Amino acid sequence: GAVVSQHPSWVICKSGTSVKIECRSLDFQATTMFWYRQFPKQSLMLMATSNEGSKATYEQGVEKDKFLINHASLTLSTLTVTSAHPEDSSFYICSAASTEVATAFFGQGTRLTVV
Amino acid sequence: GQNIDQPTEMTATEGAIVQINCTYQTSGFNGLFWYQQHAGEAPTFLSYNVLDGLEEKGRFSSFLSRSKGYSYLLLKELQMKDSASYLCAVRAYASGGSYIPTFGRGTSLIVHP
Repeated sequence: GAVVSQHPSWVICKSGTSVKIECRSLDFQATTMFWYRQFPKQSLMLMATSNEGSKATYEQGVEKDKFLINHASLTLSTLTVTSAHPEDSSFYICSAASTEVATAFFGQGTRLTVV
Repeated sequence: GQNIDQPTEMTATEGAIVQINCTYQTSGFNGLFWYQQHAGEAPTFLSYNVLDGLEEKGRFSSFLSRSKGYSYLLLKELQMKDSASYLCAVRAYASGGSYIPTFGRGTSLIVHP
């Protein structure tokens, strides 16, 4: 099946610093990438949707200046959490989809802890 | 928008059968997915239904009724490792020709001996 690689799997950073998370589709061209956030014991919450070569569409309540999304190629999307704060600590998961595959495939997730 | 509803928690006995229901309201329906998620891990794909009926895949089966906005995931011969969250996700057409999957809150299944 299709593989989506997300890196890093976990990261600890100091408050006020920025963290970049990468999401790569390894064997298919991902025209659409989704970024989710999941707090403990809660469901996945969509943060933004990005199509290759265009600006990301953010969900209501998600600050686009804080969560920078870049989808420069059909195989790579990045999420940068800028000026991270402890309340940004969460599990971030990317998902990649295209017209080639019927479903969306998830990366392994990134556990972000801001101290 | 979309509204997806599934039970918060279910318990079952090892070896038994359990059915997890999901109801949804959406426009531009383009498929329903079931995922399994263990704590701290990414969801793993279980099934995909776009037409009415039952899809069987080993111990897991998924059913869809588009007219009723209803789906269920059926797990047979339950094993302890099946204890996890089960997420129902609905995909719908969005503006611009893309599609957006929306997840329900998930059902936490606890399998006990």
